[in-house]
Amino acid sequence: KAGVTQTPRYLIKTRGQQVTLSCSPISGHRSVSWYQQTPGQGLQFLFEYFSETQRNKGNFPGRFSGRQFSNSRSEMNVSTLELGDSALYLCASSFPGQGGWSYEQYFGPGTRLTVT
Amino acid sequence: GNSVTQMEGPVTLSEEAFLTINCTYTATGYPSLFWYVQYPGEGLQLLLKATKADDKGSNKGFEATYRKETTSFHLEKGSVQVSDSAVYFCALLWLSGGSNYKLTFGKGTLLTVNP
Repeated sequence: KAGVTQTPRYLIKTRGQQVTLSCSPISGHRSVSWYQQTPGQGLQFLFEYFSETQRNKGNFPGRFSGRQFSNSRSEMNVSTLELGDSALYLCASSFPGQGGWSYEQYFGPGTRLTVT
Repeated sequence: GNSVTQMEGPVTLSEEAFLTINCTYTATGYPSLFWYVQYPGEGLQLLLKATKADDKGSNKGFEATYRKETTSFHLEKGSVQVSDSAVYFCALLWLSGGSNYKLTFGKGTLLTVNP
């Protein structure tokens, strides 16, 4: 079974631009979560999508948004990029368990975003 | 709020040494606890988990016991290998409201094992 894939793997953007990152979950997984990883803040939860609906949200500004398609693929968008948005963005998928949440999240390799 | 604190690294050990990475948590209710590992250039992989007090999670020679009395979930391995070099994250899964769960990570501990 193929793992979680994220595209692109590396991205360089300038301040003020916007960016869209893509995540394809493991086949059969319906939940997709996004995380931002930086050396200073560590791993921070952005949001989670389940069956095309945002089910959970972290404490990030509205410039960060996402969506999920009917095939469970998800995209994350960041508008008006700032230098502080430079980070590794990780996507994780899971198969719904009890209460619609599975303990085991499977992570992709991430997209390394650099904002200059 | 709910949080995880793990020992700061980096941790450098020789092959076959004993490993302990400390993790303590603050949480209300009955959280589940996890250790994830991130190898260079890769995403996170679930290493082990414990869903209730006194549970012991184990995998690939690593162990951690969910201690409610000390709010700890320390990771241990009796004999590390060079291939264990990675960043290790302690994480807490908790019910944030209604049926919504959240996964909160510690800042990670870089382990380097030298031959």
